[in-house]
Amino acid sequence: GAGVSQSPSNKVTEKGKDVELRCDPISGHTALYWYRQRLGQGLEFLIYFQGNSAPDKSGLPSDRFSAERTGESVSTLTIQRTQQEDSAVYLCASSSVRGGERGYNEQFFGPGTRLTVL
Amino acid sequence: DQQVKQNSPSLSVQEGRISILNCDYTNSMFDYFLWYKKYPAEGPTFLISISSIKDKNEDGRFTVFLNKSAKHLSLHIVPSQPGDSAVYFCAARRAGANSKLTFGKGITLSVRP
Repeated sequence: GAGVSQSPSNKVTEKGKDVELRCDPISGHTALYWYRQRLGQGLEFLIYFQGNSAPDKSGLPSDRFSAERTGESVSTLTIQRTQQEDSAVYLCASSSVRGGERGYNEQFFGPGTRLTVL
Repeated sequence: DQQVKQNSPSLSVQEGRISILNCDYTNSMFDYFLWYKKYPAEGPTFLISISSIKDKNEDGRFTVFLNKSAKHLSLHIVPSQPGDSAVYFCAARRAGANSKLTFGKGITLSVRP
């Protein structure tokens, strides 16, 4: 089966413009995460969706960042009025969360979108 | 505030020898630890994990050791192979935190033929 896909793979934009990044999770995965990795840094959690529950937005760095998810499928991450410090690789991951199961449900990552803000 | 620390940015080892990748953490609420491997232009892929109730987990050439008192874990790869050359991220999950992971900055491992 297909893995997590993300588009575009690369995006170059001018400061102040809005961008939209897309993530297609693995079919049947109820959980979806967005992370970003800035140069020389580790992956930084942004937002988490789980089924119909309210998303965990605790990692979003500012109100310029927002994300939506349609049901248990596609998610879009939108960055408004982009700034140079937004330049990073934005990674999406999905996992299957089964009720009553102990332990960790592996997150499968997409290849990422490299965003460059000039 | 870096809660997961990988203090060595890079490591180079000879093929066939052991690679030891270290990771330290500060949050005592972490209950699960993972290692991810990342090749250029690809997303991270899960490698091995360990629960905080264990001190060792082994999977083929990969073994993860956890020392809770020292808040330290390490990934051992033996024997190392050139295909192991990649960036390795240590990650941790806090109990009840909706599975979101806290990652270290990564270690670039180079295995010389």
